[in-house]
Parts: sequence; structure tokens; C-alpha cells
Amino acid sequence: AQSVTQLGSHVSVSEGALVLLRCNYSSSVPPYLFWYVQYPNQGLQLLLKYTSAATLVKGINGFEAEFKKSETSFHLTKPSAHMSDAAEYFCAVKGAGNMLTFGGGTRLMVKP
Amino acid sequence: EPEVTQTPSHQVTQMGQEVILRCVPISNHLYFYWYRQILGQKVEFLVSFYNNEISEKSEIFDDQFSVERPDGSNFTLKIRSTKLEDSAMYFCASTGQGDYNSPLHFGNGTRLTVT
Repeated sequence: AQSVTQLGSHVSVSEGALVLLRCNYSSSVPPYLFWYVQYPNQGLQLLLKYTSAATLVKGINGFEAEFKKSETSFHLTKPSAHMSDAAEYFCAVKGAGNMLTFGGGTRLMVKP
Repeated sequence: EPEVTQTPSHQVTQMGQEVILRCVPISNHLYFYWYRQILGQKVEFLVSFYNNEISEKSEIFDDQFSVERPDGSNFTLKIRSTKLEDSAMYFCASTGQGDYNSPLHFGNGTRLTVT
């Protein structure tokens, strides 16, 4: 069985500041990890994925995430927040079986 | 870029009524999924479908739920007798391959409100 915990249901940053969204996972098998973003009234869009090729993964819109096995973490970062980054972000794990298990989501707010 | 499309975007129904949520997956994809998100809660897996049969389902997917691929393009989720607690956003997803590193492509969702 697998699970995902996202610390912080709401994160607020100023425009231009570092974005850090936390994700910890548990999985009984080597995990595949994903970050999805959901803009208002839209579906879930893939930001990036970890598939064991490299521990630092770059995604769209300047986001990246680092897989740390020792910490069972896959935190999402962006060096400089933009107003358009305001959205809900979901971390997800695919372990045994072919289904995604999602975290609770983190709503990112960007202040001008 | 190809998209997963879902209709309708909003559906309001009365308790006890049947609803069918429709999805058109990406055309060359082979694996199909339904997820739901109750307001304020996690996105939850309902069911996966491959080769015209259910491959996995969650505890949520009880006898009131069914899925069908009636033709070569549509993938539907039917709720036989809706309950208030079925109110949620329902997402359809598809992927071209069944291997673990294939991301799922999601539609924009159908918001179901049961009154």
C-alpha cells in the first residue's frame, strides 16, 4: 500500500519568493512520484514525474522536485514565484498496482 | 496537444436518480481511470479499465457504480442510484501505457451535485 502526505494545506508566498511545497510518501515498492497542478475550474495537469532516472527532476513552468529516499520526500520547489503559479498542487505516488494515490493537496497563494 | 474531454462540466441530480458521466480519452490511449474529489478532500481512485474490463477498483466503487466503453471513443461512469455523498468532482484520466512511469492525463472534471 502507498500513501502521500502533503504538509500545509495552504502556502502563501510573495511574488518573486521561493516556493517550497512539501510531500512525503510511503510505498512498499520503489515509488514513481508525480506532481500535478490544478488551476481553478480545470483538470489536473502534470508538472513533473520521478521515475528513478535522476533524483532532481525538472518540470514545466520552472518547477523542480528532488527525490530523497532517505527522507521519503519529494518536495516541489520554484526559485521565484509568479502570480500565475497560484493554484492547487497535488503530489501523487504510483506503487504496487497501476493507480495513483494522491496527497491532500496544497493551495499556493501568491501575494503581489 | 490531445486532451481528455469530459461532459457535462456540471450535473445536478436528485437523490436516487441515475447519472452517467461521459469521458472521451486521448485517442491512442489504452488505460482509463475514474477518480473523484469530494469538496475539501483528497482526490480518490475509483476504478481503472483496460481491454474492456475493470483492472482495479477501490472500496468506493461499489455495486452502485459501473463503467463502460460503449464504443471506440467514449468511457462512461454510471451511478445507478445517487446518494447525497456522491456529490463530488469526478475526473476521468487515460494513459497510453500501463507501466508505472506513465503519467495519467486528466480531464477537466464533472462536478456532480446530488440534492
